Amino acid sequence: DGGITQSPKYLFRKEGQNVTLSCEQNLNHDAMYWYRQDPGQGLRLIYYSQIVNDFQKGDIAEGYSVSREKKESFPLTVTSAQKNPTAFYLCASSWGTFGTSGTYEQYFGPGTRLTVT
Amino acid sequence: GQQVMQIPQYQHVQEGEDFTTYCNSSTTLSNIQWYKQRPGGHPVFLIQLVKSGEVKKQKRLTFQFGEAKKNSSLHITATQTTDVGTYFCAGSAYSGAGSYQLTFGKGTKLSVIP
Repeated sequence: DGGITQSPKYLFRKEGQNVTLSCEQNLNHDAMYWYRQDPGQGLRLIYYSQIVNDFQKGDIAEGYSVSREKKESFPLTVTSAQKNPTAFYLCASSWGTFGTSGTYEQYFGPGTRLTVT
Repeated sequence: GQQVMQIPQYQHVQEGEDFTTYCNSSTTLSNIQWYKQRPGGHPVFLIQLVKSGEVKKQKRLTFQFGEAKKNSSLHITATQTTDVGTYFCAGSAYSGAGSYQLTFGKGTKLSVIP
């Protein structure tokens, strides 16, 4: 059963703590992405990775870090430097970042809802 | 940078009425994608349009890509309660150095009154 898994579904943390969100895919996709979703704000790109051991900042990377040591895994760490970390975090993957006609369709995981108090 | 505007932000319709959401880009797009997110769920890819003036249909859903490749629309005929959710467009544009960038609109949240 192919797809993207994110764990946990709900996560609660105290302010000042770093927290790592898990994302795993078995679709054999090269590219992976992290988005943040806030009510009424749509999807905002945090980081993306085109291949293993390479990743690029998105539009709102401050206060976040990622790693891509394996093709299947792209964990996101929300650091204490992130001013407003409470949000819904979505991981996605695609065959590549883009082809001859532009970007590829993305497949999303179920998301992790992070609450920091 | 590239901006993708989507309207309306919210739409409430009676079951059986039609629904349309519009997407406008500040730059010419290479393709446009549409996604649906059910309440409490995650975005699911619906379709991709690539050609100028392209029209694609999926049952009661009709997707159009403008002639100038700067706007798109999604039209649902005779809405059903299963259509409830937020519909996002995502525009892909050339961002230089041989790469493309995908930018999501803020979505249109559809409510269907039975």
